Amino acid sequence: AQTVTQSQPEMSVQEAETVTLSCTYDTSENNYYLFWYKQPPSRQMILVIRQEAYKQQNATENRFSVNFQKAAKSFSLKISDSQLGDTAMYFCAFMKHAGTSYGKLTFGQGTILTVHP
Amino acid sequence: IAGITQAPTSQILAAGRRMTLRCTQDMRHNAMYWYRQDLGLGLRLIHYSNTAGTTGKGEVPDGYSVSRANTDDFPLTLASAVPSQTSVYFCASSQLAGPAPDTQYFGPGTRLTVL
Repeated sequence: AQTVTQSQPEMSVQEAETVTLSCTYDTSENNYYLFWYKQPPSRQMILVIRQEAYKQQNATENRFSVNFQKAAKSFSLKISDSQLGDTAMYFCAFMKHAGTSYGKLTFGQGTILTVHP
Repeated sequence: IAGITQAPTSQILAAGRRMTLRCTQDMRHNAMYWYRQDLGLGLRLIHYSNTAGTTGKGEVPDGYSVSRANTDDFPLTLASAVPSQTSVYFCASSQLAGPAPDTQYFGPGTRLTVL
């Protein structure tokens, strides 16, 4: 079974600064996906970024980037130029590469990020 | 706007009552999922469906049932609600092929309180 651990229950950052959220996972699989989801106070789960394990290049989406270390089973999220709208709970999630089958998402416990003006 | 809708937004329910949470997607995704979110536990998979006419059990299926009569709808039923089913419920869907296969997109959630 896969497990996902987010060791930082809460983080805070000043507006315009950079923050990194940590995530580690445990799996015996070689082919899988990793995700970061954002859940603002509105409760909506929003996909932030996705990484495919077979790709060595780290994924980036505008101000969001990841540091994917496959051997270390680490998948951290870096938010640059933090904005007030980034305040949210952030979840790291793992999915085995499912092919034609379903893909079960395993979530971490979440990290609450607060961006201060 | 394309996406996933859930109903109701919130509900307070007496223990022992039957309740169906509705989920509809208009993205023509093959797969659909139900998760529950509890404080400190993240989201956990209840049931899933790879395609219309098929369903499967997730991590925490007891006390819940689902059906998938067509591609768009995936209702979740609590036959006899208990207080431990108090939670926020999310429906999600994904496409099994394409540019971002298996990426799951979520509905807005239903907050359910069982008294």
